[in-house]
Amino acid sequence: AQSVTQPDIHITVSEGASLELRCNYSYGATPYLFWYVQSPGQGLQLLLKYFSGDTLVQGIKGFEAEFKRSQSSFNLRKPSVHWSDAAEYFCAVDHNNAGNMLTFGGGTRLMVKP
Amino acid sequence: NAGVMQNPRHLVRRRGQEARLRCSPMKGHSHVYWYRQLPEEGLKFMVYLQKENIIDESGMPKERFSAEFPKEGPSILRIQQVVRGDSAAYFCASSPPLGDITQYFGPGTRLLVL
Repeated sequence: AQSVTQPDIHITVSEGASLELRCNYSYGATPYLFWYVQSPGQGLQLLLKYFSGDTLVQGIKGFEAEFKRSQSSFNLRKPSVHWSDAAEYFCAVDHNNAGNMLTFGGGTRLMVKP
Repeated sequence: NAGVMQNPRHLVRRRGQEARLRCSPMKGHSHVYWYRQLPEEGLKFMVYLQKENIIDESGMPKERFSAEFPKEGPSILRIQQVVRGDSAAYFCASSPPLGDITQYFGPGTRLLVL
């Protein structure tokens, strides 16, 4: 079955440390890929997206993600985490590349230590 | 340019009542999507609509749930005879008719069934 996996349910990092959130998908072709962030009680904000081209994608708030076809991964990174980055992060896939149904991973909750 | 609007933000219903959730897409967007987020889970696709048409309702429960997106006015997600298991956050997203297929999310409606 087609799926999106975020292996880490919770991650805690110290402020200023680097961050990598993992995302793997299981689809035959390369889907469109997205990362969203959700603050408590809020909606989802788009961080970045990958459709094609350069496999390293820059997003808002200093985030970037790298698409690796061989690993079916789209990991999110940030070189230096700020306390305001504490939130839940969702990886999502549009496997039809048609802008209809997004399939979401289970999310990774990021906590930031001072 | 206002984002996706959802109301109410919070809704409390007793078992057996009806819940109506409204979504106004971003200006210029004609595609609307509804997702449900159960506690501690990721978002699950429910339905994809264009003006006056249901395009994909593969994620909608077979009974009690319906959605519409009329020619004028917001999209409505309707849940009849609510049960406790319907308690969740319901998110609406919208995307433009052409070009960018990115989905932009509203703040969600948190439904609590007593």
